[in-house]
Amino acid sequence: ETGVTQTPRHLVMGMTNKKSLKCEQHLGHNAMYWYKQSAKKPLELMFVYSLEERVENNSVPSRFSPECPNSSHLFLHLHTLQPEDSALYLCASSQERGGGEQFFGPGTRLTVL
Amino acid sequence: GNSVTQMEGPVTLSEEAFLTINCTYTATGYPSLFWYVQYPGEGLQLLLKATKADDKGSNKGFEATYRKETTSFHLEKGSVQVSDSAVYFCALRPGAGSYQLTFGKGTKLSVIP
Repeated sequence: ETGVTQTPRHLVMGMTNKKSLKCEQHLGHNAMYWYKQSAKKPLELMFVYSLEERVENNSVPSRFSPECPNSSHLFLHLHTLQPEDSALYLCASSQERGGGEQFFGPGTRLTVL
Repeated sequence: GNSVTQMEGPVTLSEEAFLTINCTYTATGYPSLFWYVQYPGEGLQLLLKATKADDKGSNKGFEATYRKETTSFHLEKGSVQVSDSAVYFCALRPGAGSYQLTFGKGTKLSVIP
């Protein structure tokens, strides 16, 4: 039990669809992260939120839009994706922005057709 | 910039064999070093960490020593089990106050009975 849940676990979408990924952490943390995990590539940090404020955006295309309504929830809104966006999207949280260990959710396996 | 290089997989071992997964890093300053493990269908879990030179992180029979002189953080286990089959990621965090984790590409370990 990692304390970080993600839904859905699997998602298949067309290039013209709009969908959202959801992450919820039950650990009382105040920082949340989105990562992209592609085959044979290192994990890529996409976004970081601390106290519901976005503090990092690593040159991610605008077709990915994050939202953090409170410290327990994080969303990733998807629209007009490309097939190369197919990957495992991992959410993580930590106790503090700088020093805390990051706890990961199980991920959402996204396939873009 | 910061980078992590770990040995290419997959690694296949028999049960009770000795395990070493090499990890070297490039970073300025004094990074913290981590090993994460990802079991099939799950997110990443922190396995062990070390925050300064000569520290040894250990957990579940796994060990890694922070070697600043060789910029390495090799993962070892004396006797692997089938349940250790997973993907192992080496990672670094540049320093206190940073939330940026840089990951290696991961090494897949398969342990056969």
